[in-house]
Amino acid sequence: GAGVSQSPRYKVAKRGQDVALRCDPISGHVSLFWYQQALGQGPEFLTYFQNEAQLDKSGLPSDRFFAERPEGSVSTLKIQRTQQEDSAVYLCASSFGGQGARGNQPQHFGDGTRLSIL
Amino acid sequence: AQSVAQPEDQVNVAEGNPLTVKCTYSVSGNPYLFWYVQYPNRGLQFLLKYITGDNLVKGSYGFEAEFNKSQTSFHLKKPSALVSDSALYFCAVSRGGATNKLIFGTGTLLAVQP
Repeated sequence: GAGVSQSPRYKVAKRGQDVALRCDPISGHVSLFWYQQALGQGPEFLTYFQNEAQLDKSGLPSDRFFAERPEGSVSTLKIQRTQQEDSAVYLCASSFGGQGARGNQPQHFGDGTRLSIL
Repeated sequence: AQSVAQPEDQVNVAEGNPLTVKCTYSVSGNPYLFWYVQYPNRGLQFLLKYITGDNLVKGSYGFEAEFNKSQTSFHLKKPSALVSDSALYFCAVSRGGATNKLIFGTGTLLAVQP
């Protein structure tokens, strides 16, 4: 597609449920990022993939958060046993270059998934 | 550690007047600096970047930004504001390397009055 696509746009879950958020990056983009944006804040880095390899997961807040990109294209962010503090907008971004490329390639963002935990 | 500061939560400007949205950064080594804009219920849209070279960078929609190494600043500017520029603006820094992850400021809400 023309841009980064995320689904669902909105997700409401009860505390303790598991959720899965999907990201379809721009075709051909090697790098894929997940960010978490709390209300009134800037996005915060969660994890990074280069193709199918997860090279950085330093931003994942707990072991309840898990991300994968098995074929180097679509990525899924899974949150297990959700808690109220997980409520946020989850943004996915992709960029053309990978590791070793200079950090000068802009990341292209999807519209995000707004997750609300009741 | 890398960080970005946007000292103004909100900037108000009249349509047709010049606007400035401030950003300062802290990073070891040479920074890669970005500005993004976010409209309600949308993702972030890339406006411009500074990597190296000229300190004045021109971007989308008539925006520009000036890199000042001595002041560690990267302020966003536009000579003549439009009502449609009203949105949330984020400054971000990357140090490149293995991840190229972005560190964002807290955002500045730009309100352009007609």
